[in-house]
Amino acid sequence: ETGVTQTPRHLVMGMTNKKSLKCEQHLGHNAMYWYKQSAKKPLELMFVYNFKEQTENNSVPSRFSPECPNSSHLFLHLHTLQPEDSALYLCASSRAIREPRSQETQYFGPGTRLLVL
Amino acid sequence: KQEVTQIPAALSVPEGENLVLNCSFTDSAIYNLQWFRQDPGKGLTSLLLIQSSQREQTSGRLNASLDKSSGRSTLYIAASQPGDSATYLCAVSAIQGAQKLVFGQGTRLTINP
Repeated sequence: ETGVTQTPRHLVMGMTNKKSLKCEQHLGHNAMYWYKQSAKKPLELMFVYNFKEQTENNSVPSRFSPECPNSSHLFLHLHTLQPEDSALYLCASSRAIREPRSQETQYFGPGTRLLVL
Repeated sequence: KQEVTQIPAALSVPEGENLVLNCSFTDSAIYNLQWFRQDPGKGLTSLLLIQSSQREQTSGRLNASLDKSSGRSTLYIAASQPGDSATYLCAVSAIQGAQKLVFGQGTRLTINP
């Protein structure tokens, strides 16, 4: 266990559904991340939060809406997704950029396997 | 735009062999380079992190080297074991954005008993 948990582990949704992915970290970190891992493509960074503030949006479509209510929790709200959005969504955490030794590695959760029909 | 390439895409070797996984990146202005392993149904586990000023890092049977000027890194696994079977990912971060990791597509490694 890395100290980062994600729920649900698997999700099937239709294109008109609204669902949310949840991530929680128990490592005392202040930075959290969402990544997308599609078949046959490299892992892609989606969003970065430092001290609950979004500091990076990697040109992600607005049908993906992140929320970070506190440093331990991160959500990804999904609405009107497309079949090509089917992928493994990974959450990660680390020390924040304003903290000492912020170059330390990111710790990843197990991911949510999403299928959009 | 930084691009990371990993060769080979898949590798199968008998147990006990020493092996090398390769990673190359197009922009040498990196902050650090990391090697991760990913097991099926699980997230990523960090193996080694090499700062841009370093040339190598070692952890147990793993040794990672970095040649920043040529844009290359290697992960050496000694005396491979079936438990080493996994996908190995290389990722680099830029000086301007140390939190923005750019990943390669990975090498799927199978160690045969």
